Amino acid sequence: ETGVTQTPRHLVMGMTNKKSLKCEQHLGHNAMYWYKQSAKKPLELMFVYSLEERVENNSVPSRFSPECPNSSHLFLHLHTLQPEDSALYLCASSLYGAGGPRTGELFFGEGSRLTVL
Amino acid sequence: TQLLEQSPQFLSIQEGENLTVYCNSSSVFSSLQWYRQEPGEGPVLLVTVVTGGEVKKLKRLTFQFGDARKDSSLHITAAQPGDTGLYLCAGGNQDQFYFGTGTSLTVIP
Repeated sequence: ETGVTQTPRHLVMGMTNKKSLKCEQHLGHNAMYWYKQSAKKPLELMFVYSLEERVENNSVPSRFSPECPNSSHLFLHLHTLQPEDSALYLCASSLYGAGGPRTGELFFGEGSRLTVL
Repeated sequence: TQLLEQSPQFLSIQEGENLTVYCNSSSVFSSLQWYRQEPGEGPVLLVTVVTGGEVKKLKRLTFQFGDARKDSSLHITAAQPGDTGLYLCAGGNQDQFYFGTGTSLTVIP
């Protein structure tokens, strides 16, 4: 059983739909992340939240909108997506950030497989 | 962007063989992790190394962090079908983890 839960596991949407991905972590961690995993590409960091504040936005198109209402929940709101946005979206959490003397290991959810038609 | 390149990209071996996967970068990292990901699942952490030159063993898996903290290797002894999966290295700095390109391992019974 994972301490990071993502819903839905699978999502099919049209280009004009609005949908949201949800992530919940039960580990008491301070940082949460959204990653995009596409075939034959490294995991791409999309957003980082530390103590509910966004600390990183890696030039992600505005059709992806994150929301972190508290330290346990993270959302990714999707609007007017393109077929090339089809991918596995992974949520992760870490007790601390990645750097410094603390190891800040990532704990991943099982992912939400998104297909944009 | 801090790139980590993994080699080989794909590896298919017979059960019982040994293998080594490499993770290389020109950047220095404060920590380095190895993850294994199975199809349809998220990556699962295998190990974290934080000290240059550090070696960690996890049963048949041996992980090493380079002296300069820019590279790492994963060695598997006597591979088993259960070792099949995508192996990812990830370097940590500040608030980010930078992931490698991945090595897809298939162990044939």
